[in-house]
Amino acid sequence: KQEVTQIPAALSVPEGENLVLNCSFTDSAIYNLQWFRQDPGKGLTSLLLIQSSQREQTSGRLNASLDKSSGRSTLYIAASQPGDSATYLCCTSGTYKYIFGTGTRLKVLA
Amino acid sequence: NAGVTQTPKFQVLKTGQSMTLQCAQDMNHEYMSWYRQDPGMGLRLIHYSVGAGITDQGEVPNGYNVSRSTTEDFPLRLLSAAPSQTSVYFCASSYSKGDGANVLTFGAGSRLTVL
Repeated sequence: KQEVTQIPAALSVPEGENLVLNCSFTDSAIYNLQWFRQDPGKGLTSLLLIQSSQREQTSGRLNASLDKSSGRSTLYIAASQPGDSATYLCCTSGTYKYIFGTGTRLKVLA
Repeated sequence: NAGVTQTPKFQVLKTGQSMTLQCAQDMNHEYMSWYRQDPGMGLRLIHYSVGAGITDQGEVPNGYNVSRSTTEDFPLRLLSAAPSQTSVYFCASSYSKGDGANVLTFGAGSRLTVL
């Protein structure tokens, strides 16, 4: 059974800092790994999707990497801004089953 | 293009009442699913469907029923609501091509309280 863990559970950083969010998973037989953002009281917005054959994906200030062999993914946020404050969730995709981590709650202080 | 639409956004039920949470998508996605999100538990899969007429159980299916009569709609039914079903429910869909490039698209959520 796939288990997805995100550390830390919460993170507070000053504006402008570069930061890394971690995601680990127990079953490397995945189709892809997605990173989502969730604002309070809102739904989830897909940020990046890394297919199992890929090592990383980039979108603007975001870079996500995937190491299937070690069961790890990281989300790198460059030059953080207060607008980046949200909960970030990673999700692995297996055979029609998407398994989520419990998320990292990020607060960027102005 | 509305994406994934969930109704209602908020609902309060009494124990034992029944209700249906509606989910509709207009992206011709084959895959649709329901999750519940509880504090400290993350999102847990309730039921999913890979096409019209095909449904299967997820991690926490007890107390919930689903059906998929059309590609567009995937309602979630609570037959006899219990306080343990108080949660935020999310519907999500993806274009299941089986090649790994399936971005999961979410609705805005339905907040259910069972008294």
